[in-house]
Amino acid sequence: QQQVKQSPQSLIVQKGGISIINCAYENTAFDYFPWYQQFPGKGPALLIAIRPDVSEKKEGRFTISFNKSAKQFSLHIMDSQPGDSATYFCAASKLNAGNMLTFGGGTRLMVKP
Amino acid sequence: GAVVSQHPSRVICKSGTSVKIECRSLDFQATTMFWYRQFPKKSLMLMATSNEGSKATYEQGVEKDKFLINHASLTLSTLTVTSAHPEDSSFYICSASLAGRPNEQFFGPGTRLTVL
Repeated sequence: QQQVKQSPQSLIVQKGGISIINCAYENTAFDYFPWYQQFPGKGPALLIAIRPDVSEKKEGRFTISFNKSAKQFSLHIMDSQPGDSATYFCAASKLNAGNMLTFGGGTRLMVKP
Repeated sequence: GAVVSQHPSRVICKSGTSVKIECRSLDFQATTMFWYRQFPKKSLMLMATSNEGSKATYEQGVEKDKFLINHASLTLSTLTVTSAHPEDSSFYICSASLAGRPNEQFFGPGTRLTVL
């Protein structure tokens, strides 16, 4: 059972454009929603994370939007740059569950110059 | 802070040999360490969870005798792939969590294993 569904699988955006990646979850017990960025041959790095008590969190060009009723959250990358080209994973976890993360399938983002 | 290292970054071995991968938390004591496997263009697949001084908890379908995990200290966990075969070739990634930072995991840079 895939508990976190991520879309699209791949995304091509022009430099300066907005990249939007969406995730939907099923388990209402999830209470932590991080996004990870992974470059080829490297481990994932935490980009930004949100908890369900807020609907939006912004850090620089990266924004998470969270819709608790719809059980959806999304990552927006403003002013996308070629250096943002990477694979992005959303994830979810629940407190007191041993810090285990459930990952989405990933989105390969390519930002064209 | 919260840096995790892995060694080696790449390893090539012959079929039938065993390979050990180390995962270290460099600037913190890890309450829990996790081992993932990642196939090309795929998501991370959790293999096992380990706590210092106790046996690892393996995910369904992961052979515990094939993938031996030892978590001897609060800063070191090792994954040994025993009697490796070409189908074990993959990207192995560890992560660690620490007390006071609930839910968060800090990932290592990964180890590329190629079995010939």
